[in-house]
Amino acid sequence: NAGVTQTPKFRVLKTGQSMTLLCAQDMNHEYMYWYRQDPGMGLRLIHYSVGEGTTAKGEVPDGYNVSRLKKQNFLLGLESAAPSQTSVYFCASSYEGGQPLAKNIQYFGAGTRLSVL
Amino acid sequence: AQKITQTQPGMFVQEKEAVTLDCTYDTSDQSYGLFWYKQPSSGEMIFLIYQGSYDEQNATEGRYSLNFQKARKSANLVISASQLGDSAMYFCAMREGVIYGGATNKLIFGTGTLLAVQP
Repeated sequence: NAGVTQTPKFRVLKTGQSMTLLCAQDMNHEYMYWYRQDPGMGLRLIHYSVGEGTTAKGEVPDGYNVSRLKKQNFLLGLESAAPSQTSVYFCASSYEGGQPLAKNIQYFGAGTRLSVL
Repeated sequence: AQKITQTQPGMFVQEKEAVTLDCTYDTSDQSYGLFWYKQPSSGEMIFLIYQGSYDEQNATEGRYSLNFQKARKSANLVISASQLGDSAMYFCAMREGVIYGGATNKLIFGTGTLLAVQP
């Protein structure tokens, strides 16, 4: 019952360092998402993917890059970390949204807590 | 622009009592979906309940029900018989508008309500 797995769970970076967050799902979902959660702001979408080899920008994409080389994996990269990127990052996945009113629940990973000093 | 508003930053409820968490939404789309998620102190996001905009009956999932008032654009979560384990942050979310023939399934989240269940 792995579902959506995020690694690492915690990370501390210095300003300017780079890192990659890995998200893996074993539910054969087409769609995957990266969100960030900041106090008092709920979750905001960074990037998403509607299938292998595709990515698109969400609400707050600046400073991040993503890749979806394999259907089960969605990587979030920070090329030059900034203190403003201190946050909790969540990955989620869902079935495709072909049916407008289908449930298509997004299943979330446990999150990655990132601090940029 | 589509938006979710949760006006209650925090709430208290006595164990075994019912509690209503408010959620209002703004959209010009006719087809949309509304979700509630629970985030306990451990941090994971847990799906609770879903309501489609054309569903005629309010959704129910065990002790959770969604009081859907389409004309008022509200989708309040009702938790019956509160338990200590219900203490958590609760998020209301809306699936972003659908373009005919496909959907990105993107979610827009509210800022959450922190519920504390007291013994």
